[in-house]
Amino acid sequence: EAQVTQNPRYLITVTGKKLTVTCSQNMNHEYMSWYRQDPGLGLRQIYYSMNVEVTDKGDVPEGYKVSRKEKRNFPLILESPSPNQTSLYFCASSPRTGGDEQYFGPGTRLTVT
Amino acid sequence: AQSVTQLGSHVSVSEGALVLLRCNYSSSVPPYLFWYVQYPNQGLQLLLKYTSAATLVKGINGFEAEFKKSETSFHLTKPSAHMSDAAEYFCAVSKGGYNKLIFGAGTRLAVHP
Repeated sequence: EAQVTQNPRYLITVTGKKLTVTCSQNMNHEYMSWYRQDPGLGLRQIYYSMNVEVTDKGDVPEGYKVSRKEKRNFPLILESPSPNQTSLYFCASSPRTGGDEQYFGPGTRLTVT
Repeated sequence: AQSVTQLGSHVSVSEGALVLLRCNYSSSVPPYLFWYVQYPNQGLQLLLKYTSAATLVKGINGFEAEFKKSETSFHLTKPSAHMSDAAEYFCAVSKGGYNKLIFGAGTRLAVHP
């Protein structure tokens, strides 16, 4: 089944404890992206990747890192999480350009205390 | 800069009534426009998209949307609401050649008997 998977689905952590949220797609998509969803704000892009070893900042990149060493994987790294990073995170992928549908993962709900 | 405005954070309709969810966008270039649906505890699923072909776009589950350039609108409609349509709906825009989606804040649709 074609899908985007994220792990973990739920995570509670404490301020300053490094964490990684994994994202993997099995559709051979070139483009991958991370979004965060907050009430009343919709989804905002954190980082994106046009292909392996090519990443760039989205609208809200502060406090996050990403890497794209393999085409299928695009982990999101929070090196020193803070409470304002408590949010619902979505990974997405698409074949290539702007008119393509983006396929979303199931989401990771992160709480930082 | 591109932006998306969804009028009404909450919309409530009776089962069998018309569903109308409003979306206005601003874009300096011809955009790609999308409607996504998010069911509780799930990721986003594409309902339909406009990519400069027909201005009336039909999507899944009986939804459709009409692109009106003069009004910079892309409202989502369904003639007859079903209980299963209760979800949050997001309008999004992307610029041609890029995959970055700019989302509206979302509209939560409630359907009552």
